[in-house]
Amino acid sequence: AQKITQTQPGMFVQEKEAVTLDCTYDTSDPSYGLFWYKQPSSGEMIFLIYQGSYDQQNATEGRYSLNFQKARKSANLVISASQLGDSAMYFCAMREGGDYKLSFGAGTTVTVRA
Amino acid sequence: NAGVTQTPKFQVLKTGQSMTLQCAQDMNHNSMYWYRQDPGMGLRLIYYSASEGTTDKGEVPNGYNVSRLNKREFSLRLESAAPSQTSVYFCASMVLRETQYFGPGTRLLVL
Repeated sequence: AQKITQTQPGMFVQEKEAVTLDCTYDTSDPSYGLFWYKQPSSGEMIFLIYQGSYDQQNATEGRYSLNFQKARKSANLVISASQLGDSAMYFCAMREGGDYKLSFGAGTTVTVRA
Repeated sequence: NAGVTQTPKFQVLKTGQSMTLQCAQDMNHNSMYWYRQDPGMGLRLIYYSASEGTTDKGEVPNGYNVSRLNKREFSLRLESAAPSQTSVYFCASMVLRETQYFGPGTRLLVL
């Protein structure tokens, strides 16, 4: 079974608007971590934001915030005030318990329009 | 501080040829990883090394071998390349169980 599901293969957003990227996860471990990475067309993987399962507040990093809904097992990424440089592929990933490994979703392509 | 480096950046192989992808990190991280990325499939873990001296299989290990040469270096070897191994390969490293940091990737084409 898929551990990370990203149902939106591609999205368009107008510059300066906000966009929400969906991510749902599947785990029975009470301790886990959720990550979002950005992959621009140049190919590198850039870490954006992290949320731990026991964190009381939703994670934020600049224009990135994570809408963590534990009961629904969702960890959506919100990008506020989109910029042209936000055009990229975005991956959600999860680490379970004491595991050393990450499981990645298939990714969502975001295209920001001027 | 270069982070995670990978060589080569791009390689073309013929079916049956062998090659080794090199990865090094200068962040003193304990854990290192090899992923492959295919279109529409995200990243899939090939092998990982939780600490120096240990290696373990990931999701798609067939056709690959790895060596954790020391704490800094983790190499991935294709003994007999196949067209199905055409992909982009990423190396990553991690301290404890926090964020993984990725290298720039190696684009491999097997003809």
